[in-house]
Amino acid sequence: DIQMTQSPSSLSASVGDRVTITCRASQSIANWLAWFQQKPGKAPKLLVSKASTLESGVPSRFSGTASGTDFTLTISGLQPDDFATYYCQQYSNYPYSFGQGTKLDIK
Amino acid sequence: QVELVQSGAEVQKPGASVTLSCKAAGYTFSRFHIHWVRQAPGQGLEWMGWINPNTGGTHYAQKFQGWVTMTRDTSMTTAYLDLRSLKSDDTAVFFCARSQGGLFDSWGQGTLVTVSS
Repeated sequence: DIQMTQSPSSLSASVGDRVTITCRASQSIANWLAWFQQKPGKAPKLLVSKASTLESGVPSRFSGTASGTDFTLTISGLQPDDFATYYCQQYSNYPYSFGQGTKLDIK
Repeated sequence: QVELVQSGAEVQKPGASVTLSCKAAGYTFSRFHIHWVRQAPGQGLEWMGWINPNTGGTHYAQKFQGWVTMTRDTSMTTAYLDLRSLKSDDTAVFFCARSQGGLFDSWGQGTLVTVSS
């Protein structure tokens, strides 16, 4: 099974900051990686697919990059609406697997 | 627009079984797999498996084999998740999600299942 190691598990930042969340796959997943945003009591929302493709309607301050088995989600210029929990997920091999999540809160 | 609407919260006693539903609208139901994802309270997301609404074929994560059954009713454009022999630590929110090539592009709102005596 592919393990997704996400870091940090929590992050405090201020409006306007630039933050980066990292996800490492335990083996090659090509670029079959998605990023989700989840707010309390809500379903996850797809932000990025194929490691770096921004979904329609997602603000351009979000971006995803890939380097081998390392993936990053960067938010440039945090907005109040961005404080949430973020998950990476590989959809290369079954069983699909998620990172442990990164809770982003206001400093 | 694509919409997945899940059934309401459930409270069940240990040992009971429950069936959750996920009604799809706004797209051709048979064309996209439906996946189920579990989220225990305060925890992360855990993939459970999928059902192919066209064929009824299923694929379960090994951890959930023998405990869950995924079915569908194409006439109702609804997918179902059966959970058996519930235990208190099965308390969780269960999400359904539509997938395109494995990518979860639309999600239901989630169903909370509480297992308590």
